[in-house]
Amino acid sequence: KAGVTQTPRYLIKTRGQQVTLSCSPISGHRSVSWYQQTPGQGLQFLFEYFSETQRNKGNFPGRFSGRQFSNSRSEMNVSTLELGDSALYLCASSQRTSGSSNEQFFGPGTRLTVL
Amino acid sequence: QKEVEQNSGPLSVPEGAIASLNCTYSDRGSQSFFWYRQYSGKSPELIMFIYSNGDKEDGRFTAQLNKASQYVSLLIRDSQPSDSATYLCAVYPGAQKLVFGQGTRLTINP
Repeated sequence: KAGVTQTPRYLIKTRGQQVTLSCSPISGHRSVSWYQQTPGQGLQFLFEYFSETQRNKGNFPGRFSGRQFSNSRSEMNVSTLELGDSALYLCASSQRTSGSSNEQFFGPGTRLTVL
Repeated sequence: QKEVEQNSGPLSVPEGAIASLNCTYSDRGSQSFFWYRQYSGKSPELIMFIYSNGDKEDGRFTAQLNKASQYVSLLIRDSQPSDSATYLCAVYPGAQKLVFGQGTRLTINP
């Protein structure tokens, strides 16, 4: 079974621009969560999408948004980029079962550099 | 107090020894607990999860959970140089959100 894929792998943008990142989950997984990883803050939860709806959101400004399509693929958008948005953006896929476990499998990430 | 705390290390262990990684969490309602391994420049890889008190073994890895003490640990037996990585403890309090610790950098010395 193919793993989680993310595109692009690397991006360089300038302040004020916007960016769109894409994530395709593992086949059969319907939940996609997005995380930001920086050396200072570590891994922080951005939001989760399930059945094309945002189900939960972390403490990030409204410049960070996302969506999910009917095939479970998800996109994340960051508008008006700031230097501090430079990070590794990771998406994680899960089956979102009703049980207590919530195994999430990460994609390779998109490394965003804002100049 | 951080929600999930780990010793950042670096933790240095000789090859063949047992590496012990520890994690404490603050949310008593947390349901599941995960250990991820992250090599430099790579994304986190799930290696263990546990949701019941006690031990769970998988090969050279053992996860231990004590909900009363709000403590999770990961033991790596017969440590190999390939185990050198950052180990991230993640806690699932619900709502499809994982809360991560800062990670412990582990170095296995040949």
